[in-house]
Amino acid sequence: DQQVKQNSPSLSVQEGRISILNCDYTNSMFDYFLWYKKYPAEGPTFLISISSIKDKNEDGRFTVFLNKSAKHLSLHIVPSQPGDSAVYFCAASRNSGNTPLVFGKGTRLSVIA
Amino acid sequence: EAGVAQSPRYKIIEKRQSVAFWCNPISGHATLYWYQQILGQGPKLLIQFQNNGVVDDSQLPKDRFSAERLKGVDSTLKIQPAKLEDSAVYLCASSRGGGGDTQYFGPGTRLTVL
Repeated sequence: DQQVKQNSPSLSVQEGRISILNCDYTNSMFDYFLWYKKYPAEGPTFLISISSIKDKNEDGRFTVFLNKSAKHLSLHIVPSQPGDSAVYFCAASRNSGNTPLVFGKGTRLSVIA
Repeated sequence: EAGVAQSPRYKIIEKRQSVAFWCNPISGHATLYWYQQILGQGPKLLIQFQNNGVVDDSQLPKDRFSAERLKGVDSTLKIQPAKLEDSAVYLCASSRGGGGDTQYFGPGTRLTVL
């Protein structure tokens, strides 16, 4: 049973436009959500997180939105740059992060110059 | 600050052989994690250490996988005997504490079992 779902395996976006990556979760006990970015042959790198007490968190070009009623979160990248091309993983945890992270399968973002 | 180090980066073995992976976390990080990432999937936690004690090993196949973190620093993950389905990237991560602290990942070890 997949508790964190990233239903789009891939996404292509023009440079300078907005990239929107989506993530759905099924476990209503999740209260802490993270996005990681992964380049080939490297480990995942933490990007941004959000607690369930918020509905938005912003860090530079990256914004994460959380819709608890829909059990949905999204990562917005504006403007998209070629260096953003990577696999993006959504992850979730319970008890403010005190339980193991559960990862989605990832979405491969390609930013076309 | 040096990142999480892992070795080897790549390993090819035949089924039923044994293999070991090594991880050196970021200095001062108390918590160490081992993840398994099968192709096309997200990372799955195998085991979590807090210093040299095991916090969570509920998803570790204990009949063939073992891990230790002696002295609360370096860690090794062993598979004995390996099966074809163990082919994956094994990622080590560390964090300053537990809970919501950011996890920093190493580059991983890509294991191929033939």
